[in-house]
Amino acid sequence: AQKITQTQPGMFVQEKEAVTLDCTYDTSDPSYGLFWYKQPSSGEMIFLIYQGSYDQQNATEGRYSLNFQKARKSANLVISASQLGDSAMYFCAMREGIYNFNKFYFGSGTKLNVKP
Amino acid sequence: GAVVSQHPSRVICKSGTSVKIECRSLDFQATTMFWYRQFPKQSLMLMATSNEGSKATYEQGVEKDKFLINHASLTLSTLTVTSAHPEDSSFYICSAREIEKLFFGSGTQLSVL
Repeated sequence: AQKITQTQPGMFVQEKEAVTLDCTYDTSDPSYGLFWYKQPSSGEMIFLIYQGSYDQQNATEGRYSLNFQKARKSANLVISASQLGDSAMYFCAMREGIYNFNKFYFGSGTKLNVKP
Repeated sequence: GAVVSQHPSRVICKSGTSVKIECRSLDFQATTMFWYRQFPKQSLMLMATSNEGSKATYEQGVEKDKFLINHASLTLSTLTVTSAHPEDSSFYICSAREIEKLFFGSGTQLSVL
């Protein structure tokens, strides 16, 4: 089974609108971490947001928020007030275990296009 | 977030030559760094785990003699692609662990002619 599933290969959103990028995960380890990264065409992987499995509150970082639904094993990224610069590839990832980055899994990515 | 610097960002070399890529954690110490390879329109593939002061751990199918990794200090890991061939052309990206999070460098696009 896939550890991280991103079901949206591509998404379009109008500038200034909010958009949700879907991510589901699969693990039986009670300790894990969930990440979202942005990869623009330049290639760098930009860390956006992190959610630990024991965190009670949903993580937020500026315009980014992570909708963490533990029972459903989903960790959707919400980008509010989209900007043209948000156009990029977005990867959801999971660290399985407390600090075990050897078990670090990426989804296949979602390409987001923000329309003016 | 923490900053990871990777150089060079782009390199073109002739077949048979060796290329060194550097990965530095600028504002934190990283006992563990990771090297990934990414093919066009695909996700990242872990190549190896670089441990400060010890030998790197390579993923299955990755040739350790071709992809030499040295983690000489708590802030620097290097990947040397030895005797590069056109099939080694790819995007290589490093990452460094800071406690529970993973931060990435900006990547290196390697083109072997």
